[in-house]
Amino acid sequence: EVQLLESGGGLVQPGGSLRLSCAASGFTFSSYAMNWVRQAPGKGLEWVSIINYSGANTYYADSVKGRFTISRDNSKNTLYLQMNSLRAEDTAIYYCAKRGDCSGTTCLFFDYWGQGTLVTVSS
Amino acid sequence: DIQMTQSPSSLSASVGDRVTITCRASQAISNYLAWYQQKPGTVPNLLIYAASTLQSGVPSRFSGSGSGTDFTLTISSLQPEDVATYYCQKYNSDPLTFGGGTKVEIK
Repeated sequence: EVQLLESGGGLVQPGGSLRLSCAASGFTFSSYAMNWVRQAPGKGLEWVSIINYSGANTYYADSVKGRFTISRDNSKNTLYLQMNSLRAEDTAIYYCAKRGDCSGTTCLFFDYWGQGTLVTVSS
Repeated sequence: DIQMTQSPSSLSASVGDRVTITCRASQAISNYLAWYQQKPGTVPNLLIYAASTLQSGVPSRFSGSGSGTDFTLTISSLQPEDVATYYCQKYNSDPLTFGGGTKVEIK
């Protein structure tokens, strides 16, 4: 059974930093691209970042580019999101999400999601 | 960047009704479109990918269609457990943008 368990959320002041983790199990973690998706309170879903299976390639939403860094440790089956220079608008539930399975070459939808970790940026 | 626009933003329908939600891309994305359901207080759940492929375990009353810029999610017979917000997502290239969501309620 696929499981994704996020941790590391909490209350942080504007300008501060936080590191989120996502522990994965139930699948071959090192074979799949992984993502972070966030959802501000009462709002819709916003894709944040993706990292390919090896960690060699990463992409970011414009809203977090230059401030957030996605990484992974395949030996620990863990995904990370380092968040720096946090702003009030970064307040959200952060979900890690596994890339989907399909027969094509582009399967960048999300078939499993963690329960999320809440990040609150406030003074 | 390609924008994803969903309509309507909310709808109210009776149990048993046929419900249709539309998602429009600002540029063609072939069939690289997924649909998700998010019930209140829960995480999103994948319903459909490749515009029309039903994810394993999803009830057959859900279906998707479309290609290029215009896509549709249809619930053939609305059930009480379908109360949720539905999101489309394009995945042909980054950014992997979501639509704004459609909230479905029971009349």
